[in-house]
Amino acid sequence: EVQLVESGGGLVPPGGSLRLSCAASGFTFSNYAMSWVRQAPGKGLEWVSAISGSGDSSYYADSVKGRFTISRDNSKNTLYLQMNSLRAEDTAVYYCAKYMDLSLYYFDYWGQGTLVTVSS
Amino acid sequence: DIVMTQSPDSLAVSLGERATINCKSSQSVLYSSNNKNYLAWYQQKPGQPPKVLIYWASTRASGVPDRFSGSGSGTDFTLTISSLQGEDVAVYYCQQYYSSPQTFGQGTKLEIK
Repeated sequence: EVQLVESGGGLVPPGGSLRLSCAASGFTFSNYAMSWVRQAPGKGLEWVSAISGSGDSSYYADSVKGRFTISRDNSKNTLYLQMNSLRAEDTAVYYCAKYMDLSLYYFDYWGQGTLVTVSS
Repeated sequence: DIVMTQSPDSLAVSLGERATINCKSSQSVLYSSNNKNYLAWYQQKPGQPPKVLIYWASTRASGVPDRFSGSGSGTDFTLTISSLQGEDVAVYYCQQYYSSPQTFGQGTKLEIK
């Protein structure tokens, strides 16, 4: 059974940093591209970042480029999102999502999400 | 970026009736070399993550009831629920994966009338 379990969310002041983790199980992690998608309170879905199966290629939304860094440790089956220079508008539930294969197409599994609140 | 626009924003349908949700992309998401539409539909129930229903515009994901169907091509797409059940109350999103950044529609909230 595929499982994606996010952790690392919490309350952080504007300008602060946070690192999210996503522990994956139930599939061969390195064979799939992965992504972070966020959802602000009461709002819709926003793609944030994606990474190839090997970790060699990464992609970012313009809204987070230069502030967020996606990475993965295939030996630990874990996906990360390092978030720096956080802003109030980054407040959201952050979902870890698995792509259907190595292509950055649709998401076939999602985690339950972790809430990040940026506030003083 | 490709803008995805869903209509309506909210919808109330009686149990057993048909529900139709539309999604329009600002440019075509049909890749001519393989004749595939790079569009997916997701269902999000309250307090839960999204769940994929449909991909390639019309392929039902594993385990999805056959009352859910997707249609359309190019820039105009439709998600149809043929006979609404109580468990279908949710917000529905379309997503294009034709080009980066992948983008979602704003969502359509489906309720029981």
